[in-house]
Amino acid sequence: NAGVTQTPKFQVLKTGQSMTLQCAQDMNHEYMSWYRQDPGMGLRLIHYSVGAGITDQGEVPNGYNVSRSTTEDFPLRLLSAAPSQTSVYFCASTSSGVSYEQYFGPGTRLTVT
Amino acid sequence: AQRVTQPEKLLSVFKGAPVELKCNYSYSGSPELFWYVQYSRQRLQLLLRHISRESIKGFTADLNKGETSFHLKKPFAQEEDSAMYYCALKVWGNTPLVFGKGTRLSVIA
Repeated sequence: NAGVTQTPKFQVLKTGQSMTLQCAQDMNHEYMSWYRQDPGMGLRLIHYSVGAGITDQGEVPNGYNVSRSTTEDFPLRLLSAAPSQTSVYFCASTSSGVSYEQYFGPGTRLTVT
Repeated sequence: AQRVTQPEKLLSVFKGAPVELKCNYSYSGSPELFWYVQYSRQRLQLLLRHISRESIKGFTADLNKGETSFHLKKPFAQEEDSAMYYCALKVWGNTPLVFGKGTRLSVIA
């Protein structure tokens, strides 16, 4: 199993551009989530999904959209990039029940100039 | 509201010295606590969870509900322990974890 994969690894955007960060998992997990990691701020939840067709907002959802059309994929869209969105983005997939564990992808390092 | 506090941004210890990374939580329900570790430029990975009561890489953590704490301890630090450590709280069901801001552990040879 590949686990959780993310593309791209690195991205530079200009202010106002849009893009989609891809995330996929092959563990058949229902729950997936997106975090951003900033120095001194830890990991903050952007959006999450409890299954195909169902998404909800996390702590810092503004400026981001998500959709979940399949169990495997959970893309994160930046509608109009801003310098404040410069960050490292991590996607996570969660096993449920007594074996609860969040598995993280390798991250996407995004710079907005 | 649920919250995880890691009071130290950076902790430096000498190799062979004991390590304690502090974590306090705020949650009115029955908590489940985790420690995740992130080595340089790598993805986060689970280190241990309180319900398992296990020791991983020499680290242990005990949930103290009276003090609302879940401190991570290791009796003798190794250079390979240098990493970013995050304490995290699961509040209910299978919802995403709430993370603290992290503590960077630096083990000095």
